[in-house]
Amino acid sequence: GAVVSQHPSWVICKSGTSVKIECRSLDFQATTMFWYRQFPKQSLMLMATSNEGSKATYEQGVEKDKFLINHASLTLSTLTVTSAHPEDSSFYICSASGQEAYEQYFGPGTRLTVT
Amino acid sequence: DQQVKQNSPSLSVQEGRISILNCDYTNSMFDYFLWYKKYPAEGPTFLISISSIKDKNEDGRFTVFLNKSAKHLSLHIVPSQPGDSAVYFCAASAGSNFGNEKLTFGTGTRLTIIP
Repeated sequence: GAVVSQHPSWVICKSGTSVKIECRSLDFQATTMFWYRQFPKQSLMLMATSNEGSKATYEQGVEKDKFLINHASLTLSTLTVTSAHPEDSSFYICSASGQEAYEQYFGPGTRLTVT
Repeated sequence: DQQVKQNSPSLSVQEGRISILNCDYTNSMFDYFLWYKKYPAEGPTFLISISSIKDKNEDGRFTVFLNKSAKHLSLHIVPSQPGDSAVYFCAASAGSNFGNEKLTFGTGTRLTIIP
């Protein structure tokens, strides 16, 4: 099956700093990648959709200047949380799909804690 | 506005019995539905899906039923095994390009299988 990795798996940063999370498709070319956020005991909420080589499409209420998404290649997308605040602490999950894919394959997630 | 709802936050089932997880949706544009299984601090794992042109899809111990008129779907697991203990999310998408459509997730149901 298709494998998606995320790095780092967890990160602690200080308030005001920026954090970059990587999402990689290991054995297929991901034409589309999605970024989700999950708060404790809540659903996965889609933040943005990115297609390789083009700008990401953000969901309503998600600040594009705060959550920078880059999808520069068919195997890598990055999410940068800029000027992080404690309320940005969450579990961030990416998913990826390719032209052959009928499903989205999810990464293992990244736990971000902002102190 | 929760377009996909899982009204039971938790469910306990005896090992060997049938587990039935329910999901309701409100958006009539949804035409593809998926069930994911998720362990803590991990990304969701795809289980089974169903297109709106079907009312049932079966894969081993997992069967998904779709009732379009009631905007309701259910996941049946039989027989239930201890390894099935996890949080189950239903998700829905609109459009025919399944893998590349954004998913709307329900709030999840925590299934516990009692040995």
